[in-house]
Amino acid sequence: AQKITQTQPGMFVQEKEAVTLDCTYDTSDPSYGLFWYKQPSSGEMIFLIYQGSYDQQNATEGRYSLNFQKARKSANLVISASQLGDSAMYFCAMRETNRYNFNKFYFGSGTKLNVKP
Amino acid sequence: EAQVTQNPRYLITVTGKKLTVTCSQNMNHEYMSWYRQDPGLGLRQIYYSMNVEVTDKGDVPEGYKVSRKEKRNFPLILESPSPNQTSLYFCASSSRAFSTDTQYFGPGTRLTVL
Repeated sequence: AQKITQTQPGMFVQEKEAVTLDCTYDTSDPSYGLFWYKQPSSGEMIFLIYQGSYDQQNATEGRYSLNFQKARKSANLVISASQLGDSAMYFCAMRETNRYNFNKFYFGSGTKLNVKP
Repeated sequence: EAQVTQNPRYLITVTGKKLTVTCSQNMNHEYMSWYRQDPGLGLRQIYYSMNVEVTDKGDVPEGYKVSRKEKRNFPLILESPSPNQTSLYFCASSSRAFSTDTQYFGPGTRLTVL
């Protein structure tokens, strides 16, 4: 089974509008971390936001927020007030933290976001 | 400046010619990983290392070797490259202190095997 599923290969959003990128995950470990990364056309991977499995509140970082629904195993990224520079590929990732796979990261297949002016 | 460096950034080679992609980090991180990125598949972990001389296979280790003789370096070795190893490769490192720690990625190495 896929550990991380991103069901939106591509999305369009109008500049200044909000957009939600979907991510669902699969793990049986009680302790895990969820990450979102941005990959612009230049290719580098940029860390955006993190959510821990025990965190009570949704993570926020500037215009980015993570809508964490633990029971549904979803960790959607919300970008508010989209900007042209937000056009990029976005990856959802999970880090399992059991003692055998402490640094095991799983990535989704990505969502390509295009922001229209 | 805290960073992960990879070399080379671009490489075109031929089938069977051994190559090494170097990776170095200056953050004293214990964990280092190699990933390959292919269209529609996201990033897949090739190998990872929990510390010096401690390495383990990721999801797609076939055709690759790694070594971790020093904490800062984690080279990826392709003993006999094949065209299906044409991909974008990323090295990453992270601290083992907390599960909140993200990985820091290198700039990527685009490899083409003819």
